[in-house]
Amino acid sequence: GESVGLHLPTLSVQEGDNSIINCAYSNSASDYFIWYKQESGKGPQFIIDIRSNMDKRQGQRVTVLLNKTVKHLSLQIAATQPGDSAVYFCAERRNAGNMLTFGGGTRLMVKP
Amino acid sequence: DGGITQSPKYLFRKEGQNVTLSCEQNLNHDAMYWYRQDPGQGLRLIYYSQIVNDFQKGDIAEGYSVSREKKESFPLTVTSAQKNPTAFYLCASKRGDSGYYGYTFGSGTRLTVV
Repeated sequence: GESVGLHLPTLSVQEGDNSIINCAYSNSASDYFIWYKQESGKGPQFIIDIRSNMDKRQGQRVTVLLNKTVKHLSLQIAATQPGDSAVYFCAERRNAGNMLTFGGGTRLMVKP
Repeated sequence: DGGITQSPKYLFRKEGQNVTLSCEQNLNHDAMYWYRQDPGQGLRLIYYSQIVNDFQKGDIAEGYSVSREKKESFPLTVTSAQKNPTAFYLCASKRGDSGYYGYTFGSGTRLTVV
């Protein structure tokens, strides 16, 4: 299918290396954050989430780090594989209305 | 398996024609959302509904309309007033209870004006 996000920031990594995707958020009152993975022509899929009372959360091959001091969120992918190639979005919950606000996305390209 | 289904996957619209995109979920989720995605941009909110028979405009509602007559269904109509409708449209849903705020997304509909 047609690729989305042709002008997105791109991170290119070698297969087997670790990847770090960054996201800055603007609202210091945001209390919940989530990372999504979107493959070409598909809908976003949940990867991992974290609440503001935590600094780090680990999943399978993925780790999310939250730095509330500088309002920064990162997604670390260990031993990156070709199947990890996708666009990654962060999202934050800014208010009690439970709406998520999405970041612009980063394209991850894995070189074999 | 529970999930959220969008149809059709591809849709072609002629100039001046209204088209309706389907979104159905069997997750028993209360809230549903429609997003538009263009190349080089993130997700932009068109409309959302927190409960049956109620919906709210998002950031780019002009030229679109929705209905929420059933909990399971949240169709989006792209009207002829939408001058640049070619895009990838995503529907999402969310549980109404507190504790988890993530959305479940459908697989999207790609709309092209011909």
